Amino acid sequence: AQKITQTQPGMFVQEKEAVTLDCTYDTSDPSYGLFWYKQPSSGEMIFLIYQGSYDQQNATEGRYSLNFQKARKSANLVISASQLGDSAMYFCAMREEGGNNRKLIWGLGTSLAVNP
Amino acid sequence: DAGVTQSPTHLIKTRGQQVTLRCSPKSGHDTVSWYQQALGQGPQFIFQYYEEEERQRGNFPDRFSGHQFPNYSSELNVNALLLGDSALYLCASSLYPGGKNIQYFGAGTRLSVL
Repeated sequence: AQKITQTQPGMFVQEKEAVTLDCTYDTSDPSYGLFWYKQPSSGEMIFLIYQGSYDQQNATEGRYSLNFQKARKSANLVISASQLGDSAMYFCAMREEGGNNRKLIWGLGTSLAVNP
Repeated sequence: DAGVTQSPTHLIKTRGQQVTLRCSPKSGHDTVSWYQQALGQGPQFIFQYYEEEERQRGNFPDRFSGHQFPNYSSELNVNALLLGDSALYLCASSLYPGGKNIQYFGAGTRLSVL
């Protein structure tokens, strides 16, 4: 069954340091997409980064990179040079591509606090 | 370029009432998805609309219904409200179907059922 697991309920990081947020997934579909979103206290889900299951390279978007380890079914988000504005909830999500599936399956999220 | 807009931002209802939430997709997008996010949880998929039809539905009762208009905007209707319907309701828009199909979200509607 498709599932997303985020095992870190809360994380702390010092400003300007890097932080890794963990995400593992379970699916039997060989074709899938993995997503990370940021949710500040305002509630809006902000798209950060996408990784396709057939992508050969790890995705990067500015200070965000995705450490994709397909055999281990993990898709960890790495934030480099943390900023105070990075304090928020972070959600990992997956979409199976087979069978015209369109829904995103989400983890429980990780709360990140960036300390000055 | 306007992003996804949702209205209202907050809503308070009592049990048994009905509610309508509205969503305007990002410019150029033709597909709208709705999610329910309970406190402390990840979002749960309710349904997705494309070409004014419901294309996929999550595990939600028939009390939850929707509509998509010719201008791609959408409404989520919830009948016979229960206390457990209290949540943040998120609307996401995307282009159907191909490519990365990134879903972009609005700021949500916070529904409180008393």
